Amino acid sequence: EVRLLESGGGVVQPGESLRLSCAGSGFTFDKYAMSWVRQAPGKGLEWVSTLSRSGAATYYAESVKGRFTISRDNSKNTVFLQMNTLRVEDTARYYCARMGATRWDFEYWGQGTLATVSS
Amino acid sequence: EVVLTQSPATLSLSPGERATLSCRASQTVNTYLAWYQQTPGQAPRLLIYDASHRATGIPSRFSGSGSGTDFTLTISSLEPEDFGVYYCQQRDNSWTFGPGTRLEI
Repeated sequence: EVRLLESGGGVVQPGESLRLSCAGSGFTFDKYAMSWVRQAPGKGLEWVSTLSRSGAATYYAESVKGRFTISRDNSKNTVFLQMNTLRVEDTARYYCARMGATRWDFEYWGQGTLATVSS
Repeated sequence: EVVLTQSPATLSLSPGERATLSCRASQTVNTYLAWYQQTPGQAPRLLIYDASHRATGIPSRFSGSGSGTDFTLTISSLEPEDFGVYYCQQRDNSWTFGPGTRLEI
């Protein structure tokens, strides 16, 4: 069974940083691209970032480019999202998602971790 | 950026009825269109990929159709657990989601 467990959320002030983690299990981690998708309270889904299997290719939404960094440690079956210079509008539940093996849809999702940016 | 619009915003139906949800793209996305279901308090779940292919474990009452810019998700006979919010998503040009359709009882 595929499982994704996010952690690292919390409450921070504008301008501060958070590092989210997502531990995967039940599949061969280094064979899949991984992504982060967020959902502001009461709002819809917004793609944030995607990372290839090896970590060589990264993709970011314009809204986070230059502030967020996605990375992975395949030896620990974990993907990270380093979020710097946080803004109030970054407040959201952040979901980790495993992509499909041959098509990059968001095939499996974790339950998410909540990041709140507030003064 | 590819913008997805979904209609209607809210759909009110009863168990046993047929639901038809629409998604329109601002430019062609070929068949690189997926549908997700999100029930209250839960993470999204992939239902349909590549416009018409059911994901693993998805019941046959869910079906998808369309190509280019116009797509449809059909639920043939609603079950109580089907009520929630449905999102379309394209992967032809980066990744974007539609705003969602709320399916309510």
